[in-house]
Amino acid sequence: QVQVVQSGSEVKEPGASVTVSCKTSGYTFTAYGLSWVRQAPGQGLEWMGWIYGYDGSAHYAQNFQGRVTMTRDISTDTAYMELRSLRSDDTAVYYCARQISMIAGYMDVWGKGTTVTVSS
Amino acid sequence: DIQMTQSPSSLSASVGDRVTISCRASQTIRTFLNWYQQMPGKAPKLLIYTASTLHSGVFSRFNGSGFGTDFTLTISSLQPDDFATYFCQQTYKTPLTFGGGTRIEIK
Repeated sequence: QVQVVQSGSEVKEPGASVTVSCKTSGYTFTAYGLSWVRQAPGQGLEWMGWIYGYDGSAHYAQNFQGRVTMTRDISTDTAYMELRSLRSDDTAVYYCARQISMIAGYMDVWGKGTTVTVSS
Repeated sequence: DIQMTQSPSSLSASVGDRVTISCRASQTIRTFLNWYQQMPGKAPKLLIYTASTLHSGVFSRFNGSGFGTDFTLTISSLQPDDFATYFCQQTYKTPLTFGGGTRIEIK
């Protein structure tokens, strides 16, 4: 079955970077993309960007441009999201979700989420 | 950016009730509208995509409709597992945006 397994919780100091991984299985990694979505405590969902498994091309939300990098490794069917210059308001649960296309697509399989806490 | 406005932000209902949630886009998004259900402490789950298509395994009591800017999610007969928060999302244009959510509570 299709699975998306995320890396474990992280605690970081302000100014640091964090990398969250998303290992997939059960489908053809290069035929789909993956979106990254975050949810601050008690808040709604915020889309961060999307990466295409086929060629690794990524599209980032303007709010994160310059601070986020999404990559993938087709040898392990794993996607990565690095967020730099962390601030306290980056404290959130970060999700990856399979999404076949960025436009007109939908997030049909989600990871369980990775809690990132930014605190000094 | 396309703003997605859900209403109500919360509602109280009983098992067996018919429940309707609205989602309005700030500009046309044709039918590129998805609905997700989120239980507390869990990841969202896809319910409906392209406004009205039921995702595999989702119960038929969930129904989506709409086109352009106005969309509706209806639960025909609320079940105990349906008490959750529901989000709409547009994928017509980047940045992809979500509604603020509608929390369904037990009356």
